[in-house]
Amino acid sequence: QQQVKQSPQSLIVQKGGISIINCAYENTAFDYFPWYQQFPGKGPALLIAIRPDVSEKKEGRFTISFNKSAKQFSLHIMDSQPGDSATYFCAASIVFGNEKLTFGTGTRLTIIP
Amino acid sequence: DAGVIQSPRHEVTEMGQEVTLRCKPISGHDYLFWYRQTMMRGLELLIYFNNNVPIDDSGMPEDRFSAKMPNASFSTLKIQPSEPRDSAVYFCASSLSGRTNEQFFGPGTRLTVL
Repeated sequence: QQQVKQSPQSLIVQKGGISIINCAYENTAFDYFPWYQQFPGKGPALLIAIRPDVSEKKEGRFTISFNKSAKQFSLHIMDSQPGDSATYFCAASIVFGNEKLTFGTGTRLTIIP
Repeated sequence: DAGVIQSPRHEVTEMGQEVTLRCKPISGHDYLFWYRQTMMRGLELLIYFNNNVPIDDSGMPEDRFSAKMPNASFSTLKIQPSEPRDSAVYFCASSLSGRTNEQFFGPGTRLTVL
């Protein structure tokens, strides 16, 4: 029940295209859903996050779509750029009382010219 | 702030040797996490501390692994004896309890056990 399932494992998108990464969770107590971005040789860093009281959050070219009834959320990267090439992790947690993040397995995104 | 600091950045050791990884969290943060990352298993949470007290060590793979946090500004992850299958990148992260659970990751220690 603590798992977060992420797909696809890897993704190749042409420059200017839309990159979409999907995640699904089981634990309905989760109330915080962040996405982390990791470049080679670096630690993951928070990219964008959403709480379940909204269905969408947008920050620049990055958008999280959240479907509470389906227990799914996704990351959309619009106008994908070569600099977006990285590994992306979705995660979920319960904000108060449990600071642990449950991470998905990661998606390696490659943006080609 | 300098962010989460980890040392060493790279460690190469021989099987059977003791390995100690070090972490300095961001000042003021009250949670500290140790993760292991491999291609096969992804990002695994090993153990985490709140106010220097271990909260959940269920991810520690076996008794060869131990972690301590003697004070708010320092933590260690020790492997004794080390084995080749321990080769991985080990990350330390810290966070401040509150409205979000944003974790700030260090640069990682790449461990190679020969």
